[in-house]
Amino acid sequence: AQSVTQPDIHITVSEGASLELRCNYSYGATPYLFWYVQSPGQGLQLLLKYFSGDTLVQGIKGFEAEFKRSQSSFNLRKPSVHWSDAAEYFCAVGGTMEYGNKLVFGAGTILRVKS
Amino acid sequence: DTGVSQDPRHKITKRGQNVTFRCDPISEHNRLYWYRQTLGQGPEFLTYFQNEAQLEKSRLLSDRFSAERPKGSFSTLEIQRTEQGDSAMYLCASSFSGEAFFGQGTRLTVV
Repeated sequence: AQSVTQPDIHITVSEGASLELRCNYSYGATPYLFWYVQSPGQGLQLLLKYFSGDTLVQGIKGFEAEFKRSQSSFNLRKPSVHWSDAAEYFCAVGGTMEYGNKLVFGAGTILRVKS
Repeated sequence: DTGVSQDPRHKITKRGQNVTFRCDPISEHNRLYWYRQTLGQGPEFLTYFQNEAQLEKSRLLSDRFSAERPKGSFSTLEIQRTEQGDSAMYLCASSFSGEAFFGQGTRLTVV
């Protein structure tokens, strides 16, 4: 069965510091991979996606992610965090026809930014 | 605004009452999804439509839950005889090819 693991429930970083959020997945086919961000009480906003091709993908708000097939990972990175990045981040896998186009989400990582 | 729209944003209901939520997807999107999100968890898939056809339902979707997309445009999710365990954020998403766009969600509180 498909599954997504986000090992870190909470992460705290200083403003201006670099960030890496981890995501590991289990999926029976070549996956589509996504990172979403959610502010409290709000819906999910897509940060970036990987469908195929270049394994380093760029997203909005200065985020990037790298797909590593050998490690079944899709970690999210940002070189310099801003206070407005504080939110919850979800990694998701799926969206392919083999699995009904639906997404499977990780449990999320809450990012806190300290000044 | 051309994004996914959900109504209402918040709903408080008494246990045992029925509730209905509406989702208006992005107009050219043929796929529509419902997810449920409880505190501290990621969204969990409930059901999926392609045009007006409901193609998949999760085992999470008990007999008290029903969803429709009558003309392949907006969708409704109804919960009958609500229980406290139904308290959650209900998210709707739409897509055309792989990339899903989410609405702001409907927060349901059952008291």
